[in-house]
Amino acid sequence: GAVVSQHPSRVICKSGTSVKIECRSLDFQATTMFWYRQFPKQSLMLMATSNEGSKATYEQGVEKDKFLINHASLTLSTLTVTSAHPEDSSFYICSATTLGDGAQYFGPGTRLLVL
Amino acid sequence: DAKTTQPPSMDCAEGRAANLPCNHSTISGNEYVYWYRQIHSQGPQYIIHGLKNNETNEMASLIITEDRKSSTLILPHATLRDTAVYYCIVRVRDAGNMLTFGGGTRLMVKP
Repeated sequence: GAVVSQHPSRVICKSGTSVKIECRSLDFQATTMFWYRQFPKQSLMLMATSNEGSKATYEQGVEKDKFLINHASLTLSTLTVTSAHPEDSSFYICSATTLGDGAQYFGPGTRLLVL
Repeated sequence: DAKTTQPPSMDCAEGRAANLPCNHSTISGNEYVYWYRQIHSQGPQYIIHGLKNNETNEMASLIITEDRKSSTLILPHATLRDTAVYYCIVRVRDAGNMLTFGGGTRLMVKP
């Protein structure tokens, strides 16, 4: 149980284009989902917290207009990187929580490469 | 969230027990100890969590000291596939609460 999927697993795009990443909780309902970013050889950094049906809360230094988050249902959250630039190239990981044990369950990650 | 301190790296022989320590001397009474691991190029994987009692599941055992200021994650029979970065995180058990990842311990299981 507690499986989280992400799509796509890998994406390469041109500078200036937008990329959408989906995060789904497959076998549970997630009231809260989190989006993290991880650069090579670094730890995960939280970007934003997303609650179903409400606006996401962004961490300091994360541009909300650049990283659009939509959490339309209890099983789906999307992250759209708008007007992507090479410095946005990173490993993007989502997680979802259940109300039960408070643990976060992570997706497999999406590797974004902006050329 | 309380701060944690972990050794940056450890080695373990395949088949032996891996004991990963974590110090969390400023932990509050309502904070749990969570362990996650991240295998290279994958999302983190939840391992186990506990409040004050020792816990065991199919993956690992968690030993928390009586004063709760430190804990040890035990992988009883480490395999090469257990090579990963292991993160110890303390936080309240609230589904809406974020995780703050520190540097973790890079465990290398060697044949």
